[in-house]
Amino acid sequence: ELKVEQNPLFLSMQEGKNYTIYCNYSTTSDRLYWYRQDPGKSLESLFVLLSNGAVKQEGRLMASLDTKARLSTLHITAAVHDLSATYFCAVDIMDYGGSQGNLIFGKGTKLSVKP
Amino acid sequence: DAMVIQNPRYQVTQFGKPVTLSCSQTLNHNVMYWYQQKSSQAPKLLFHYYDKDFNNEADTPDNFQSRRPNTSFCFLDIRSPGLGDAAMYLCATSPLLRHNTDTQYFGPGTRLTVL
Repeated sequence: ELKVEQNPLFLSMQEGKNYTIYCNYSTTSDRLYWYRQDPGKSLESLFVLLSNGAVKQEGRLMASLDTKARLSTLHITAAVHDLSATYFCAVDIMDYGGSQGNLIFGKGTKLSVKP
Repeated sequence: DAMVIQNPRYQVTQFGKPVTLSCSQTLNHNVMYWYQQKSSQAPKLLFHYYDKDFNNEADTPDNFQSRRPNTSFCFLDIRSPGLGDAAMYLCATSPLLRHNTDTQYFGPGTRLTVL
């Protein structure tokens, strides 16, 4: 069974602190995505990670991918309140069962950044 | 701006009364997806189209149908909505041949309430 596991599922941080969200997946994949979702809103693409060792940064967020370990991380640096949202990782199982571009999502990490 | 549009944004229907949700895109993407997202859960793929080629997920209930009359439009039909079908329905698109920055592009979603 294909699995994408995120942890933690809930994260309460203080502003200014650093933390990492982990995303483990159980199948080979050539693409991994991170999305942000605000309450009642749709998904906003944050990062597309394509290869082993890929690292991308945008503001206070940095994402990395280790395809050998089947692990991606989303690192938050000096958190601010505006980062409060739910963060999903999703694995693209492009060639699985002939379905191209099928995303399997993790359960999401609900981040709350408090003053 | 190129985008994915969903109508309506909020839909209230009665138990058992058929409902249709619509999605349109100006991105000219070959692939369109429908996801169901229940409260505090990850999006779950219902089905997707590669051009006119329909792909149903194995566990998508028969109660859910879809139509794609042309490249720009895709519809989700729920023939007899039950209380358990109340959710956010997300439409997404992607190009068939993806470049390095391509992801799935999500619409704003339709929140369905079943009374």
